[in-house]
Amino acid sequence: DARVTQTPRHKVTEMGQEVTMRCQPILGHNTVFWYRQTMMQGLELLAYFRNRAPLDDSGMPKDRFSAEMPDATLATLKIQPSEPRDSAVYFCASGLVHDRNYTFGSGTRLTVV
Amino acid sequence: AQSVTQLDSQVPVFEEAPVELRCNYSSSVSVYLFWYVQYPNQGLQLLLKYLSGSTLVESINGFEAEFNKSQTSFHLRKPSVHISDTAEYFCAVTQGGFQKLVFGTGTRLLVSP
Repeated sequence: DARVTQTPRHKVTEMGQEVTMRCQPILGHNTVFWYRQTMMQGLELLAYFRNRAPLDDSGMPKDRFSAEMPDATLATLKIQPSEPRDSAVYFCASGLVHDRNYTFGSGTRLTVV
Repeated sequence: AQSVTQLDSQVPVFEEAPVELRCNYSSSVSVYLFWYVQYPNQGLQLLLKYLSGSTLVESINGFEAEFNKSQTSFHLRKPSVHISDTAEYFCAVTQGGFQKLVFGTGTRLLVSP
């Protein structure tokens, strides 16, 4: 089965450090989402790309977060500087808009100390 | 903006009993509805979806959901649950041209012997 690959699976970093999370969407998928999951807030949509163009990043703190798709095989989510409140599991998902079968990766568990 | 409400944060049930997980959506225009399942320490997996056509949709593992436009609901049901169905279940909706996927707060299904 085709998979969405996220790296790293786990990341522990100190407050103030830059964090980069990577996502390899399924080949051919034209839609990519980034979500953050916490116990308190549940699943929050951070960014949404269609054909590599950002369509909606209104859920993302603009001062420290950035999301990009440098090419069709890679999506990145960066946090600079990181803060303890950024600790969460970050999920990437990809799919085709016409059938809406969105596939999620296994997530990156981020801990900021 | 569209949203979904999952009324129950947790549903305990005995094995082989029936279960219903409730989901209501807010949008009054055409929507597409989904149920995802998340097992511990894993990503989300698509369980079933309603895009158009028959209002009753089924998954391969015995779950079904019915799209009810008049009640703006998309409840998930299973006539007989197994221990292995213990997981968190998320209802989600997309709407409009951008088709971004918005999740409810989730319902934890706890199946006990």
